[in-house]
Amino acid sequence: NAGVTQTPKFQVLKTGQSMTLQCAQDMNHEYMSWYRQDPGMGLRLIHYSVGAGITDQGEVPNGYNVSRSTTEDFPLRLLSAAPSQTSVYFCASKWMNEQFFGPGTRLTVL
Amino acid sequence: QQQVKQSPQSLIVQKGGISIINCAYENTAFDYFPWYQQFPGKGPALLIAIRPDVSEKKEGRFTISFNKSAKQFSLHIMDSQPGDSATYFCAASKGGGADGLTFGKGTHLIIQP
Repeated sequence: NAGVTQTPKFQVLKTGQSMTLQCAQDMNHEYMSWYRQDPGMGLRLIHYSVGAGITDQGEVPNGYNVSRSTTEDFPLRLLSAAPSQTSVYFCASKWMNEQFFGPGTRLTVL
Repeated sequence: QQQVKQSPQSLIVQKGGISIINCAYENTAFDYFPWYQQFPGKGPALLIAIRPDVSEKKEGRFTISFNKSAKQFSLHIMDSQPGDSATYFCAASKGGGADGLTFGKGTHLIIQP
């Protein structure tokens, strides 16, 4: 099993550009989520999904959209990137209580 | 409002020593308390977790101590090794974790050889 995979690993955007961060898991987990990690801030929940077709907001959802059309995939969309969205983004899937994190995407917005 | 407070921010321990990281929580609805270990450039990985019905859980050199009345829990790493050098996060969730984990801000641990 590949576990949780994320693409790209690194991305540089200009303010106002849009992009999609990809996340996929092959463990057939119903629950998936997105977190952002900023220095000295820990990880903060952006959006989560308890199954295909169901999404909900986390602690810091503004500026991000998600959708969940399949169990495997949970993309995160930035509609109009801002410098405040410079961060490392982690996707995770959950089985019972254990969260399995992907390797992360480091995003810089200039 | 920070619901999970973690200390210290950074910690240096000699090889063979005991590393201790502390967390305090505010929400009494939390019922699952994991610790995550993160190496540079990697995602966090579950290290050990505890539920509030027990006061201590040990897995190898790693022990969680839990004090429900004080709303505190801590991670002890016995016989600390240079390979334990990483960032450690405490976290908490409630109700099966449907609305995600609330993380502490992390502790950067360095084990000196």
